[in-house]
Amino acid sequence: AQKVTQAQTEISVVEKEDVTLDCVYETRDTTYYLFWYKQPPSGELVFLIRRNSFDEQNEISGRYSWNFQKSTSSFNFTITASQVVDSAVYFCALSEAGSFNNYQLIWGAGTKLIIKP
Amino acid sequence: EAGVTQFPSHSVIEKGQTVTLRCDPISGHDNLYWYRRVMGKEIKFLLHFVKESKQDESGMPNNRFLAERTGGTYSTLKVQPAELEDSGVYFCASSQDLTGLADSYNEQFFGPGTRLTVL
Repeated sequence: AQKVTQAQTEISVVEKEDVTLDCVYETRDTTYYLFWYKQPPSGELVFLIRRNSFDEQNEISGRYSWNFQKSTSSFNFTITASQVVDSAVYFCALSEAGSFNNYQLIWGAGTKLIIKP
Repeated sequence: EAGVTQFPSHSVIEKGQTVTLRCDPISGHDNLYWYRRVMGKEIKFLLHFVKESKQDESGMPNNRFLAERTGGTYSTLKVQPAELEDSGVYFCASSQDLTGLADSYNEQFFGPGTRLTVL
């Protein structure tokens, strides 16, 4: 069965600190996709990154970086030098190559990140 | 190009009433998904349309929920009668059909969500 676990319900740090959000997934498929989304207080879902199961390269985008490790089924997200605007709920999600184009997303419970000034 | 739109943005109703949520996908997107997030819990898949056909409605919580996509364009999600536990944010997403193409992941584009409160 597919499952995404975000064990950290809420994290609070002071601005400029680095913070890592953990994501552990379960799947039996060999082809799958992993995602991170951000949900700011305004409520919309903002896509951050997608990774497919065949690409374990880590990725860096500005202050954001992602560490994908198949050996531990983890896809962790690090924000370097956090800023108040990073405060949001962050979701990790998994999608398997489904039938009939069904790429439904399996979501983690989300981690609420609070950045204090 | 317009993104996925959802109407209304907020809805407050009383238990037992009926509410209809609407989603307009990106033009040309055959795939349409409904998800919802009940307060404090994870976002959960409700169902998936390909054009006007329901391909997977395994996530629909019960028969008080009815989704339609007439003509394969916009979709509606009706809750009748609404219960307190239906409160949450309902998201709609759409994607193209890229089957057969290299890196053919069908990226989902999300709408802003409808916040439903049942009192």
